[in-house]
Amino acid sequence: AQSVTQPDIHITVSEGASLELRCNYSYGATPYLFWYVQSPGQGLQLLLKYFSGDTLVQGIKGFEAEFKRSQSSFNLRKPSVHWSDAAEYFCAVLLRDDKIIFGKGTRLHILP
Amino acid sequence: NAGVTQTPKFQVLKTGQSMTLQCAQDMNHEYMSWYRQDPGMGLRLIHYSVGAGITDQGEVPNGYNVSRSTTEDFPLRLLSAAPSQTSVYFCASSYYGLNSGNTIYFGEGSWLTVV
Repeated sequence: AQSVTQPDIHITVSEGASLELRCNYSYGATPYLFWYVQSPGQGLQLLLKYFSGDTLVQGIKGFEAEFKRSQSSFNLRKPSVHWSDAAEYFCAVLLRDDKIIFGKGTRLHILP
Repeated sequence: NAGVTQTPKFQVLKTGQSMTLQCAQDMNHEYMSWYRQDPGMGLRLIHYSVGAGITDQGEVPNGYNVSRSTTEDFPLRLLSAAPSQTSVYFCASSYYGLNSGNTIYFGEGSWLTVV
């Protein structure tokens, strides 16, 4: 069955440190992949998406993600986090019938 | 251009009551969907629609009804609310189809508590 796994429920990093959020997917076909961010009490904002082409995708707010087919992964990275990056992050995969399956989310905490 | 608008933003219901969560978009999107978000569960698809007059079930459709009489509106109905339906609900829309690279836009959410 199709699924998206985000292994880390919570991650804490210091401001200015680098960040990597993990995402693994299970899907038989070529996946279309997304990362969304949700600030407390807000809706979801698209950070970036991978549909085809270059496996390193650049997004908004300085985020990037790398699609690795061999590892079924789509990890999100940022070289230097800011306090405003504290939020919950969701990885998602788009299925052929236009359904999107979301991971359970990773909550990012930033230490000053 | 207001994007995706959900109402109400907050609602408290008693068990057994019915209500409708409204969702409207002004972007002429064919695709609309409803998700619920629960702690530690991510977002789960309830129902979706690929155009007026067409609806289909998602992962967790039980206890919810939808209809799509116009392109703009996609209401979600709870016929007999249960405490298990306490959740945050998100409406989303996109040009059809998502597999063509179209972006899905989310509303700001509706917080529903069933007591």
